[in-house]
Amino acid sequence: DQQVKQNSPSLSVQEGRISILNCDYTNSMFDYFLWYKKYPAEGPTFLISISSIKDKNEDGRFTVFLNKSAKHLSLHIVPSQPGDSAVYFCAAWGGGADGLTFGKGTHLIIQP
Amino acid sequence: DAGITQSPRHKVTETGTPVTLRCHQTENHRYMYWYRQDPGHGLRLIHYSYGVKDTDKGEVSDGYSVSRSKTEDFLLTLESATSSQTSVYFCAIRAGGTEAFFGQGTRLTVV
Repeated sequence: DQQVKQNSPSLSVQEGRISILNCDYTNSMFDYFLWYKKYPAEGPTFLISISSIKDKNEDGRFTVFLNKSAKHLSLHIVPSQPGDSAVYFCAAWGGGADGLTFGKGTHLIIQP
Repeated sequence: DAGITQSPRHKVTETGTPVTLRCHQTENHRYMYWYRQDPGHGLRLIHYSYGVKDTDKGEVSDGYSVSRSKTEDFLLTLESATSSQTSVYFCAIRAGGTEAFFGQGTRLTVV
């Protein structure tokens, strides 16, 4: 049973617009959430994180929002740039697992 | 890049042969992890280590073993490779308590 879900396999956004990537989770014991970006043939790169006691964290063009009651988090990228085209993974620590629990990823495509 | 090096980067091996993948880190992090990435599955934890000679199983550990004789090296061994172990393998370290950094990956093909 998948505990971290990214229900959109792909997302296409126009350059300069906002990209919103969504992630849902089922395990209320997760205590820290992270977003990773991955290019082909490279390892995942850490982007931004948020503690379960917060509802927002911002770093430059990237903002992560956490809604604990809905067990939902989202990554906002604004403005979107061509280099943002990649696969984005949502991941979580805790919940009884010993490592990060990952979603299946969303492929973000930035259109010129 | 958190000083993580994986070797080899690519390997093709035959079914039934043993294979060892190496992860080397330069920053003395206590926690190290091995994940595999497959289409439609995201990244899944194989094994992890919380110190020298301290290791434990993850979600998909069947068919794999690990060893950690030094802080800087974490080895993943496929005792008898099968086609289902064709995958991309990533090593990671946990830093600062809440962040994890990944190596570049090893693409393994079992024929």
